[in-house]
Amino acid sequence: DTGVSQNPRHKITKRGQNVTFRCDPISEHNRLYWYRQTLGQGPEFLTYFQNEAQLEKSRLLSDRFSAERPKGSFSTLEIQRTEQGDSAMYLCASSLVSDSNSPLHFGNGTRLTVT
Amino acid sequence: EDQVTQSPEALRLQEGESSSLNCSYTVSGLRGLFWYRQDPGKGPEFLFTLYSAGEEKEKERLKATLTKKESFLHITAPKPEDSATYLCAVRINYGQNFVFGPGTRLSVLP
Repeated sequence: DTGVSQNPRHKITKRGQNVTFRCDPISEHNRLYWYRQTLGQGPEFLTYFQNEAQLEKSRLLSDRFSAERPKGSFSTLEIQRTEQGDSAMYLCASSLVSDSNSPLHFGNGTRLTVT
Repeated sequence: EDQVTQSPEALRLQEGESSSLNCSYTVSGLRGLFWYRQDPGKGPEFLFTLYSAGEEKEKERLKATLTKKESFLHITAPKPEDSATYLCAVRINYGQNFVFGPGTRLSVLP
C-alpha cells in the first residue's frame, strides 16, 4: 500500500491558462474522489468515479472543470481558462466499494496558485 | 440542506490540558461520521468512523463519541504533536460523497 499519489504538488499558472492534475489511487481501490480545499475550510466535494464511470458531480462544479478516469486506475482533473478564484488545494481520495464502511484515503494534494 | 459545523474554530491548550472538539450535523440519513486529522500542507489522515448513537472509538489520547445530532472528539493529556486541524465528515444516504465540516485548529503548547 503506497498510498494515494498526486502530481504535481504545486502549480503556479497565469489566469486564463489550462492546468491538469493527476491522481494515482491506492491500487485496489475502485472509487476515486476529487475535493477542493481553501484556507480555513474543509474539503469541498467536486466529483467521484467508480471504476471508469463518473457517478456524481457537484452542482457547484463549473463547466471549466473536467475529470477523467479512462481505465479505472489513475485520474486527471483539468481546469480550463483558470481564474484567480480557482486557487486552492485540490485533493484526491480513494476508497473500496466492496467495503461500504470504507473511509476516504487522501493524497497530499496539488496546491494551485493562479496569478 | 445537509450541513456540518465544528466548534470551536480554534483551540489552544497547554500540554496535558484535556478538552473536547464538537462536530454537529444536520443531514438526511447518516451513513457514518468520520474524523480526520490534517497537518499543514498535507491531506487529511483518517482517524475514526462512527455509525450509531452511543458508539465510541479510541486511539491513543483521542476518543470519539457519537449522539444523534453531534460527535465529540475528546483529547486527553494532549502533547504538542497533537497540534493539527481536526476535520469531521458525514456520509449521507443519497450520494456517495462525504460532507466535511470546516475543522478545528488545535494548538498544544509545551
